[in-house]
Amino acid sequence: DAGVIQSPRHEVTEMGQEVTLRCKPISGHDYLFWYRQTMMRGLELLIYFNNNVPIDDSGMPEDRFSAKMPNASFSTLKIQPSEPRDSAVYFCASSREGSPLHFGNGTRLTVT
Amino acid sequence: GENVEQHPSTLSVQEGDSAVIKCTYSDSASNYFPWYKQELGKRPQLIIDIRSNVGEKKDQRIAVTLNKTAKHFSLHITETQPEDSAVYFCAASRGDYKLSFGAGTTVTVRA
Repeated sequence: DAGVIQSPRHEVTEMGQEVTLRCKPISGHDYLFWYRQTMMRGLELLIYFNNNVPIDDSGMPEDRFSAKMPNASFSTLKIQPSEPRDSAVYFCASSREGSPLHFGNGTRLTVT
Repeated sequence: GENVEQHPSTLSVQEGDSAVIKCTYSDSASNYFPWYKQELGKRPQLIIDIRSNVGEKKDQRIAVTLNKTAKHFSLHITETQPEDSAVYFCAASRGDYKLSFGAGTTVTVRA
């Protein structure tokens, strides 16, 4: 298996622009998670899905952030409009019952 | 929600010595405790995990211990090597899913 696949690996954008991060979970995994990692706040859970349904979005910082999972093999995290404080590494991860959490390689977002 | 505290934040050890990282958790219902290793610029990767029905688990040079009564668990790395240098994260959850992570420990192994 190719593991959790995220794109792009790096994203540089200007403040105010829309940013879309993409994730393909491991086949057969029915849980998908979006994490954000910064030096100041560490690894923060933003939202997670089970069977494509959002279960807990309490970690989403504000209305500028939204996430979707239209099918079992694809999810997006969108930031609109982006701000410099959104700069971070965003990880997607997936799992299934009895299996540990597997992370993707992350997207490093820089908002200038 | 679950709150996981991790200590120390940085740890420097001589190659060949042991390293110990400690974590405490707040939710007595937590029953799954994984440890992740993250090398610079890379993704966190699971190195070992333990469930609440087990007190200790070993995998070669790595071991994890769990004290449910005190709500703390520890990672032990023996005979450290330069490739053990990384950031280590502990985590806790009820079940396998919504993990709460500690702040991380940066381990440096000096040659």
